[in-house]
Amino acid sequence: KNEVEQSPQNLTAQEGEFITINCSYSVGISALHWLQQHPGGGIVSLFMLSSGKKKHGRLIATINIQEKHSSLHITASHPRDSAVYICAVPNTGNQFYFGTGTSLTVIP
Amino acid sequence: DAGITQSPRHKVTETGTPVTLRCHQTENHRYMYWYRQDPGHGLRLIHYSYGVKDTDKGEVSDGYSVSRSKTEDFLLTLESATSSQTSVYFCAITSGVYNEQFFGPGTRLTVL
Repeated sequence: KNEVEQSPQNLTAQEGEFITINCSYSVGISALHWLQQHPGGGIVSLFMLSSGKKKHGRLIATINIQEKHSSLHITASHPRDSAVYICAVPNTGNQFYFGTGTSLTVIP
Repeated sequence: DAGITQSPRHKVTETGTPVTLRCHQTENHRYMYWYRQDPGHGLRLIHYSYGVKDTDKGEVSDGYSVSRSKTEDFLLTLESATSSQTSVYFCAITSGVYNEQFFGPGTRLTVL
C-alpha cells in the first residue's frame, strides 16, 4: 500500500513546454512537500504547502486538501529543470511518506 | 541548506567490514534522519533520532545501528557491510512548524 502516489513516473518534454506532475496521498496531513533532485545530486526542498498555491519563479505548487491531491507545475520548462521531483507527506510520528519520484527530462 | 554535512561523501569498502557514516548539523535541530535511496525504491527510512540518545527504527533498519551522543552528530553504522547495502545514504533534519525536511549532500557507499 502506497500512501503517496506520483504520476507520471517519467516525463520527457520539449524546452518551453508547460509541465505538470501530480501527487495523490491517502493520509491526513498538515502539509505536503515537493523535493527536487538533479542527477547525481542532493535533494532540495522546493515547496512546503498546507493549502492553496505557492509560486517560486517558474515553479508553481497547488494543493487540494479535500481531494488529497497536489500538483507541481513548471512553466516555460528549461533543460536545467531536468531532475527527479519527489512528493512527501508527514505522518503523525515525525516521519514521512515519500513518493517514488517523477523523472523529468527537458530536451533543448 | 540548514547546515547539514555528511562524511565521507564517497566510500568503497569490502563485504564484512564495519562502516560508519557521519551526519553533522550546526543549527540545533531536534529531529535527524538517515535514509537510503535506491533505484525503484525512492527514499526509505533507516533510523531516526528525536534527541540526544533517543533513536528509533525505520522501515529498513536491519543491519544498521545509529548513535546520537551530541545534538549535532548522528552516526549510522553498518556493523558488517553487505553488498545489499550499496546505496546512496542521505541524512536529513526537520525544521519549522510543518516539519519541512532539509537533506545533507549524501554519501555514496559501495560494498564490494
